[in-house]
Amino acid sequence: GENVEQHPSTLSVQEGDSAVIKCTYSDSASNYFPWYKQELGKRPQLIIDIRSNVGEKKDQRIAVTLNKTAKHFSLHITETQPEDSAVYFCAALDTSGYSTLTFGKGTMLLVSP
Amino acid sequence: KAGVTQTPRYLIKTRGQQVTLSCSPISGHRSVSWYQQTPGQGLQFLFEYFSETQRNKGNFPGRFSGRQFSNSRSEMNVSTLELGDSALYLCASSLNSQETQYFGPGTRLLVL
Repeated sequence: GENVEQHPSTLSVQEGDSAVIKCTYSDSASNYFPWYKQELGKRPQLIIDIRSNVGEKKDQRIAVTLNKTAKHFSLHITETQPEDSAVYFCAALDTSGYSTLTFGKGTMLLVSP
Repeated sequence: KAGVTQTPRYLIKTRGQQVTLSCSPISGHRSVSWYQQTPGQGLQFLFEYFSETQRNKGNFPGRFSGRQFSNSRSEMNVSTLELGDSALYLCASSLNSQETQYFGPGTRLLVL
């Protein structure tokens, strides 16, 4: 089955800095990669996703890059703000069958004012 | 559209008891997946239902079971509760499991 590794497990940055979270996956058939943000006591919420037919996707201060050859994808947050503080989860899925979404173990991002 | 809802939001049980959790998906979504979230373990997949059929099951003991009704609402049941079952149980719905999943607020279960 799929295995997703996520690094780092914790990340502390100063407000205004950039933050990068990296994930690797094992199943070359995976072709859908969502990122979720979970604030303390809240549900995970989708913030951005990418499919394997593109290498990069941006949404304002958030971007995701995908390297299919190396089987890794990354989340980039620019101009971080205190409200970006949360746990971020990456995930991978092979949409061709009935496989399930496999999550990384999460990265706790702390943005200090 | 209303989001995914889960009931109850909080639950306290004692070892050996059983518990039933409920999940109502977004209208029109036919797939419901359940996850167990514990500190340090992330989101662990329990099972996925689509049109009342269990299509996938994670690596959990048989004490964990579920079902889905014709209106796509889903329940999960945990029998003979153990201390280690204390966790946040999240359900997520999607049009089908190959599409974006949207999470409910979760049920926080504490087993004493």
